[in-house]
Amino acid sequence: KNEVEQSPQNLTAQEGEFITINCSYSVGISALHWLQQHPGGGIVSLFMLSSGKKKHGRLIATINIQEKHSSLHITASHPRDSAVYICAVGYSGGGADGLTFGKGTHLIIQP
Amino acid sequence: NAGVTQTPKFQVLKTGQSMTLQCAQDMNHEYMSWYRQDPGMGLRLIHYSVGAGITDQGEVPNGYNVSRSTTEDFPLRLLSAAPSQTSVYFCASSDRGRRSPLHFGNGTRLTVT
Repeated sequence: KNEVEQSPQNLTAQEGEFITINCSYSVGISALHWLQQHPGGGIVSLFMLSSGKKKHGRLIATINIQEKHSSLHITASHPRDSAVYICAVGYSGGGADGLTFGKGTHLIIQP
Repeated sequence: NAGVTQTPKFQVLKTGQSMTLQCAQDMNHEYMSWYRQDPGMGLRLIHYSVGAGITDQGEVPNGYNVSRSTTEDFPLRLLSAAPSQTSVYFCASSDRGRRSPLHFGNGTRLTVT
């Protein structure tokens, strides 16, 4: 079974800190997604990438295809960034046309 | 645009009861999917559809039925609810499946007693 591993599982940091969340996967992929789930439960797509780096405001996502690894960075973190961040990959090849999800990283930013 | 609309937000069922979770999107997306989210586990794909009239099973399809008669709607049916189906359910849609950003509904919290 193709796995998606996220680390850390839980992260508590102070406001203003630089945050890094990691995602590793096992085989070739067609795309990798970063999602954000707020305490209210709603899920929002942050990034979809298959190579390189993307930036949106204070969020940066990178992917290294050779190492099968992606990182999500948050610069100048703020309490409103507190959420669960989920990595999901679309594996290349056949099978269900869906995504395999990591278990999420629970981030708390303290004021 | 409303995006992806899921109803109901909460539901309590007794074992053996049936119900339908509704999902509608107004973005003309071909791809729609249903996931369940359980504590300590990642989201898991139940069923998906790549267009009207086409559905297929995901990772955990047992106990659930779907149909896709229109592009907009993708209901999920529980024919005989079991306590193991207690979960939070999310509907999602996208342009091109895993190769484009997913748009999620707000979720349905289902409890089966």
